[in-house]
Amino acid sequence: QVQLQESGPGLVKPSQTLSLTCTVSGGSISSGSYYWSWIRQPAGKGLEWIGRIYTSGSTNYNPSLKSRVTISVDTSKNQFSLKLSSVTAADTAVYYCARYYDILSPFDPWGQGTLVTVSS
Amino acid sequence: QSVLTQPPSVSGAPGQRVTISCTGSSSNIGAGYDVHWYQQLPGTAPKLLIYGNSNRPSGVPDRFSGSKSGTSASLAITGLQAEDEADYYCQSYDSSLSWVFGGGTKLTVL
Repeated sequence: QVQLQESGPGLVKPSQTLSLTCTVSGGSISSGSYYWSWIRQPAGKGLEWIGRIYTSGSTNYNPSLKSRVTISVDTSKNQFSLKLSSVTAADTAVYYCARYYDILSPFDPWGQGTLVTVSS
Repeated sequence: QSVLTQPPSVSGAPGQRVTISCTGSSSNIGAGYDVHWYQQLPGTAPKLLIYGNSNRPSGVPDRFSGSKSGTSASLAITGLQAEDEADYYCQSYDSSLSWVFGGGTKLTVL
């Protein structure tokens, strides 16, 4: 079965760019008609959808984050990535990657999540 | 402020039944988009609990059930067990081209 694993720096300085990668195992990121998403969760708070990418490279982003977010895919490495620019303390959160099939389908599976702290 | 509204907390004694509501609007749940529910145990990633309003993935006990009506959805848990203590989130799609979540409900088993 497909598994997802996030990786990247756990500490980012304010105003810099947060960069994370999600590695897909147990299946090809290009197989099937799946979309690949990033979701975050500040400590003690709810979930926020960040954006998604299809293996063709087509993307959609949360309107509230759109100006700072870039999601890309590397099918040769079976990975997709997140870049969030001009970060502030408000971007401190656990970041999850997840898969879904279409707008009617749930996010499943999820990665285990990775904590990113924005601090100088 | 979350697009979908959930009660911050609910509680119940072992063996009892509890429900968690999820209220949206005409641009998400009311537009006909499916509602999904996730269970998040402390320190872990959310796990799919109910999909497509009322369907259980393999392995989820039938004590968990979901329903949807109009602009709202509900998650019901019967025969409460200590292991059910967790945070629960509803999720849907919004016509603003965005996936939306509820603020989460903390279930306490008394």
